[in-house]
Amino acid sequence: TQLLEQSPQFLSIQEGENLTVYCNSSSVFSSLQWYRQEPGEGPVLLVTVVTGGEVKKLKRLTFQFGDARKDSSLHITAAQPGDTGLYLCAGGRNTDKLIFGTGTRLQVFP
Amino acid sequence: DSGVTQTPKHLITATGQRVTLRCSPRSGDLSVYWYQQSLDQGLQFLIQYYNGEERAKGNILERFSAQQFPDLHSELNLSSLELGDSALYFCASSEDRSNEKLFFGSGTQLSVL
Repeated sequence: TQLLEQSPQFLSIQEGENLTVYCNSSSVFSSLQWYRQEPGEGPVLLVTVVTGGEVKKLKRLTFQFGDARKDSSLHITAAQPGDTGLYLCAGGRNTDKLIFGTGTRLQVFP
Repeated sequence: DSGVTQTPKHLITATGQRVTLRCSPRSGDLSVYWYQQSLDQGLQFLIQYYNGEERAKGNILERFSAQQFPDLHSELNLSSLELGDSALYFCASSEDRSNEKLFFGSGTQLSVL
């Protein structure tokens, strides 16, 4: 059973466009993490959010944790080819196992 | 470079065989996690060890086993391999028992023919 659904599954955009990726669940999580994975490599942690309603910014990336701590979003402003990759959200419940989302594959064309 | 080392990078074997995947965590990290990534199932948690002891178990098959040694490196043993076991296997490590910050290795690509 996949507890974390991401949308869209695939996204192809031109350089300079904005985009938003969603991560949704019916379960409450104590923390929500976002990772980016490039071909041939393991996922790399981008950010962790722990408070409902929390917003974190990492250069052109903005992450938000839903008020009820069941969902999250990742917004990229002015996407660049270097943003290309597989974006994964992951939910944690204290010391319980980390559950990864279904993933969003982003392709940014020059 | 995450600091987590996985070997081998690629492994090609036949059905029915047994293989061992190896992972060295980042220096100082006590927890090791194993994940399986396939196109249809995404990234699935298999098992976690903390300081040599099993901490949490996920969707790990009975044909699979793992252990963490006193020097904190870990091995994932896959036996009676089936075609469906073909996947990327990732090891990750973290400082403590929490899932707050995982560092992933580059993975082992297993192909069962």
